[in-house]
Amino acid sequence: QQPVQSPQAVILREGEDAVINCSSSKALYSVHWYRQKHGEAPVFLMILLKGGEQKGHDKISASFNEKKQQSSLYLTASQLSYSGTYFCGTEMGNGGSQGNLIFGKGTKLSVKP
Amino acid sequence: DAGVTQSPTHLIKTRGQQVTLRCSPKSGHDTVSWYQQALGQGPQFIFQYYEEEERQRGNFPDRFSGHQFPNYSSELNVNALLLGDSALYLCASSLRRVQGDTQYFGPGTRLTVL
Repeated sequence: QQPVQSPQAVILREGEDAVINCSSSKALYSVHWYRQKHGEAPVFLMILLKGGEQKGHDKISASFNEKKQQSSLYLTASQLSYSGTYFCGTEMGNGGSQGNLIFGKGTKLSVKP
Repeated sequence: DAGVTQSPTHLIKTRGQQVTLRCSPKSGHDTVSWYQQALGQGPQFIFQYYEEEERQRGNFPDRFSGHQFPNYSSELNVNALLLGDSALYLCASSLRRVQGDTQYFGPGTRLTVL
């Protein structure tokens, strides 16, 4: 039931792009993306709802393929501040309430100068 | 606008003891969820409180219990602590709606059980 994230880790040079994937074996109602820096709380990035549009702000965007039960997070022109561990949190089924989020194991992103 | 706050920041306990962690939700939020995050893992859902009742519960034993107060703040209680309970405990608040809404996390309480 836990979503699978890939890759587990990625190292980038400043300015490079990255894609982080999140796949579920169950039908999804929503996907929530968070970034967590070492020793800090997860910070909300964006939420994608079933039937909703692709979200994005600044140079981070995401997509949600309901049929494939997958979501992808796109980071373009990465900055040093993008370093951290990215988690997808999934909400199953028909939704209608917030419910509990089931998180993947995370993708560690390191951006080097 | 105050975000989610948690106390204490760090806590050290010994096996068998009991612990209480506290959470104040973001202003305007009415729902509190608790998560346990082991080192190197994603947060794992413990339970969620809304209108002072436990609404959903994850796969955690009865040693984990909670409470929500009329002002929406919440407590997480863990009895008979085990070494495996050592983790970062995160509180997340949200506003209950028909559609999904964002959960905002607090800074967490780092619990160490010796």
